[in-house]
Amino acid sequence: GAGVSQSPSNKVTEKGKDVELRCDPISGHTALYWYRQRLGQGLEFLIYFQGNSAPDKSGLPSDRFSAERTGESVSTLTIQRTQQEDSAVYLCASSSTYLAGGPGETQYFGPGTRLLVL
Amino acid sequence: GQQVMQIPQYQHVQEGEDFTTYCNSSTTLSNIQWYKQRPGGHPVFLIQLVKSGEVKKQKRLTFQFGEAKKNSSLHITATQTTDVGTYFCAGFNRLGTALIFGKGTTLSVSS
Repeated sequence: GAGVSQSPSNKVTEKGKDVELRCDPISGHTALYWYRQRLGQGLEFLIYFQGNSAPDKSGLPSDRFSAERTGESVSTLTIQRTQQEDSAVYLCASSSTYLAGGPGETQYFGPGTRLLVL
Repeated sequence: GQQVMQIPQYQHVQEGEDFTTYCNSSTTLSNIQWYKQRPGGHPVFLIQLVKSGEVKKQKRLTFQFGEAKKNSSLHITATQTTDVGTYFCAGFNRLGTALIFGKGTTLSVSS
């Protein structure tokens, strides 16, 4: 079946503009994650959604970052007033179960959106 | 906060040589996962370790989870050019809601 998809694949924007990134998780996956990966760096957790529960926003770096998800469908990550430091690949992942510190579930990653802020 | 550290950051080997990357957590992990990211690609799940002292093998790859469940290693025997990429370990945060990734070890292989 289809995997996680993200759009756009690439985005170039000017400093100060807002951008919106989209993630379509695997159908039926209740959990959805956003990560940021700066060039040559590891993955940085941003936000986690599980069904209709309140999201875990503990990884969002500033109030310029926000994300929404309706139910178990598409999610959008919005960055307001972009800064050059926001340039990175933004990865979305989904998994089929709530983790809750248990054995865990594989996260399936999308191809990412490469964001360049000029 | 919880941290997951990996060493080395970079490793270059000749084809046929062995390779090992080490992962250490500042806290005890319920489990640990390993991912591989090819250049220009996105992370792909390799394996999950759950039990203390667990060892799992996938062909030339051997994964270990420490007895204290705070460290792990990935060993590749007789590397091939197809092994090139960045290997990430990841452990769950305290809430169990998100994976905390190490910075990864980037492996390059010359033939």
